[in-house]
Amino acid sequence: ELKVEQNPLFLSMQEGKNYTIYCNYSTTSDRLYWYRQDPGKSLESLFVLLSNGAVKQEGRLMASLDTKARLSTLHITAAVHDLSATYFCAVDNKGGSEKLVFGKGTKLTVNP
Amino acid sequence: EAQVTQNPRYLITVTGKKLTVTCSQNMNHEYMSWYRQDPGLGLRQIYYSMNVEVTDKGDVPEGYKVSRKEKRNFPLILESPSPNQTSLYFCASSLQGRYTEAFFGQGTRLTVV
Repeated sequence: ELKVEQNPLFLSMQEGKNYTIYCNYSTTSDRLYWYRQDPGKSLESLFVLLSNGAVKQEGRLMASLDTKARLSTLHITAAVHDLSATYFCAVDNKGGSEKLVFGKGTKLTVNP
Repeated sequence: EAQVTQNPRYLITVTGKKLTVTCSQNMNHEYMSWYRQDPGLGLRQIYYSMNVEVTDKGDVPEGYKVSRKEKRNFPLILESPSPNQTSLYFCASSLQGRYTEAFFGQGTRLTVV
């Protein structure tokens, strides 16, 4: 059974600092997705990572995928308040089904 | 505008009273799915559909039904709602389930009393 773990679940950081959110998963997969959710809002797609070694960047966020380690990272560079949100990773349940399993989310708060 | 539309946005109902939450997308996407979001549990997939007349269970399908008679619509049916189905529900669609990003609806907050 595919399990997806995110760390940390809560993250409070100061503006201008760097930090990394980790997403570990338990079974083989080479498709991983990152989403952002603002309070009271829906989910918005950030990145789609489709192969080992994939790296994508958008503004202050950079995501990478290491399928051998079953690990994806979401790196935040020089955080700003607007990045405050909950970030979810989701992993495709490779092996026939089209199930998608989400991590529990990382609630990020960026303080001035 | 490309979007996934859920209705209603908010619903309070009583135990046992059948209800349907509608979901419609205007992007001609093949893949659609339903999730529930609960505090501390993240999002859990209820059902998904890879195309018309093709549906399959996600991780928490008990107590729910779905149908996919048309490509654009994917309603979620609770035949006999119970309080443990109180949750925030999201519908999502994507062009191809495995390779592309999902677009989410605005959510339906359901309370079953």
